[in-house]
Amino acid sequence: DQQVKQNSPSLSVQEGRISILNCDYTNSMFDYFLWYKKYPAEGPTFLISISSIKDKNEDGRFTVFLNKSAKHLSLHIVPSQPGDSAVYFCAASGGATDSWGKLQFGAGTQVVVTP
Amino acid sequence: EAQVTQNPRYLITVTGKKLTVTCSQNMNHEYMSWYRQDPGLGLRQIYYSMNVEVTDKGDVPEGYKVSRKEKRNFPLILESPSPNQTSLYFCASSFVGTYGYTFGSGTRLTVV
Repeated sequence: DQQVKQNSPSLSVQEGRISILNCDYTNSMFDYFLWYKKYPAEGPTFLISISSIKDKNEDGRFTVFLNKSAKHLSLHIVPSQPGDSAVYFCAASGGATDSWGKLQFGAGTQVVVTP
Repeated sequence: EAQVTQNPRYLITVTGKKLTVTCSQNMNHEYMSWYRQDPGLGLRQIYYSMNVEVTDKGDVPEGYKVSRKEKRNFPLILESPSPNQTSLYFCASSFVGTYGYTFGSGTRLTVV
């Protein structure tokens, strides 16, 4: 059973507007969360992360918000640019002594930024 | 250039014919891992390795083998491939304790 869920398989947004990607998780022991970005014919690349001791982390146009009580995180991209068109994967880790090497990924959200 | 190299990029094979997908990294990373990507399921971990001669199962190890004889290489072996192993495979590496994995470009495997 998937412990990390991205319920929106796709998102279309206009250039310059905000993209909001959502991710829910079921394992309350997860303590580290990441977003990866993937272009076609390439491997995923690390985008941004957040530890469970924080509720927000920002890196340029990208901000990740964590709501531990709701077991929910989101990625905000402001402003969205055509180069942001990609698949975005949410990932989580934690809950066991050997959990570091076992990232759990969501199914991904395809973002399309239109001019 | 720091990278993870997978070969081949594309492979079509028949059921039961043993195959190996190679993975090599040039960053001196201790950690390496294999994932498969399937529609609606995201990336699922097959096997991982924390260092030379140290490997462990991920979430979907059935039908796969790995070995880690050298730090830079982590081949994925399918001894008797079946059609349900048709998938997009990714190798990843990192320093132990860091989550910014570096992924290879992927291997598209089709088993007929």
